[in-house]
Amino acid sequence: QVQLVQSGGDVKKPGASVKVSCKTSGYIFTTHRISWVRQAPGQGLEWVGWIFAYNSDTTYAQNFQGRVTMTIDTSTATAYMELRSLRSDDTAVYYCAREPYNYGFLDFWGQGTLVTVSS
Amino acid sequence: EIVLTQSPGTLSLSPGERATLSCRASLSVNSNYLAWYQQKPGQAPRLLIYGASSRATGIPDRFRGSGSGTDFTLTISRLEPEDFAMYYCQQYGSSPQTFGQGTKVEIK
Repeated sequence: QVQLVQSGGDVKKPGASVKVSCKTSGYIFTTHRISWVRQAPGQGLEWVGWIFAYNSDTTYAQNFQGRVTMTIDTSTATAYMELRSLRSDDTAVYYCAREPYNYGFLDFWGQGTLVTVSS
Repeated sequence: EIVLTQSPGTLSLSPGERATLSCRASLSVNSNYLAWYQQKPGQAPRLLIYGASSRATGIPDRFRGSGSGTDFTLTISRLEPEDFAMYYCQQYGSSPQTFGQGTKVEIK
């Protein structure tokens, strides 16, 4: 069965960077995009960007351009999201999710990773 | 970017009642690429509907998506206790993909 398992929560100081991992299994990794979506405490969902596992093509939401980098490791079927220059308003649960055949909707989700930014 | 506005913000209903959730887009959604998700506290969202009206695998037929262009609706025909949750719509026809702010379906 399709599974996405994310790394554990993290606490960072303002200005630092965080890298979240998303290990996938149960499907052919290179045939789908992985999107990242975040959710601040008590708030709605915000799309961060996606990476196509076949060729590492990326698209980032404008709010994150210049601060986010998404990468993949095809040998372990793992996707990564690094966010730099963290601010307190980056405190959120970050989810990875699969886009089946790059359609754009998200059919399987990771369990989420809480990133807390605090001095 | 396309802004999605969901209404109402909160829907207070009893089990067995019908729920009607609205999602209105600021521009027409290409190819009706509109999805609905359910999210319960402490859990990741779950895909319910894609392509405006196609149910995802394993989703009960009491969940029905409809609409086109700028107006979309999620209908839950008879609410079960496990249906009380947050619901989000998402458009993925134009980049950036965007989400609505959510509708909470709560027990009356």
